[in-house]
Amino acid sequence: VIWMTQSPSIVSASTGDRVTITCRVSQGISSFLAWYQQKPGKAPELLIYTASTLQSGVPSRFSGSGFGTDFTLTISFLQSEDFATYYCQQYHSLPYTFGQGTKLEI
Amino acid sequence: EVQLVQSGAEVKKPGESLKISCKASGYSFATYWIGWVRQMPGKGLEWMGIIYPGDSDTRYNPSFQGQVTISVDKSINTAYLQWSSLKASDTAIYYCARHKLKTMAIGFDPWGQGTLVTVSS
Repeated sequence: VIWMTQSPSIVSASTGDRVTITCRVSQGISSFLAWYQQKPGKAPELLIYTASTLQSGVPSRFSGSGFGTDFTLTISFLQSEDFATYYCQQYHSLPYTFGQGTKLEI
Repeated sequence: EVQLVQSGAEVKKPGESLKISCKASGYSFATYWIGWVRQMPGKGLEWMGIIYPGDSDTRYNPSFQGQVTISVDKSINTAYLQWSSLKASDTAIYYCARHKLKTMAIGFDPWGQGTLVTVSS
């Protein structure tokens, strides 16, 4: 089983800030990584896949990078609607595990 | 529009059985992997397993193997998640979600709205 470790678990920020969330993977997964956003009471939504490809409709202030075992999600100019919980997921090897989540709070 | 619509919330007692559903529309159901994800109260996402409706090929997370059964009914474009004997620890929201692409896993999109399962005596 591939283990995913996100950091930090909670990040406090303000609108207009730049925020980076890290996802560290227990073994190399090439670029087989996705990022999701989940708002309270809602289903997760796909933001980024193959580590850096933005899902259609996702604002360009979101970006992803990384390869192998270390990945980052960056939000460049925080908007109020970005305050949510973010999860990484690897799809290199079954089971396709998720990170524990990073809550982005005001 | 591609859509996954899940069955409604359930309240069950420990030891009871349950089958929840996820009805797909707007795409060729048989040709995309569809999966289930658990979210316990206040916790993160857990990948439970996936199924290919075309031939019912199913892959389970070892943590859930033997605890749940994933199945499909292609004739009505519906995927299922079932338990034979619920435990209080099965209390969670369960999401179904489809692989974004037919040919390879690159993430889940779209997701169903979630089904809240509450198990309590």
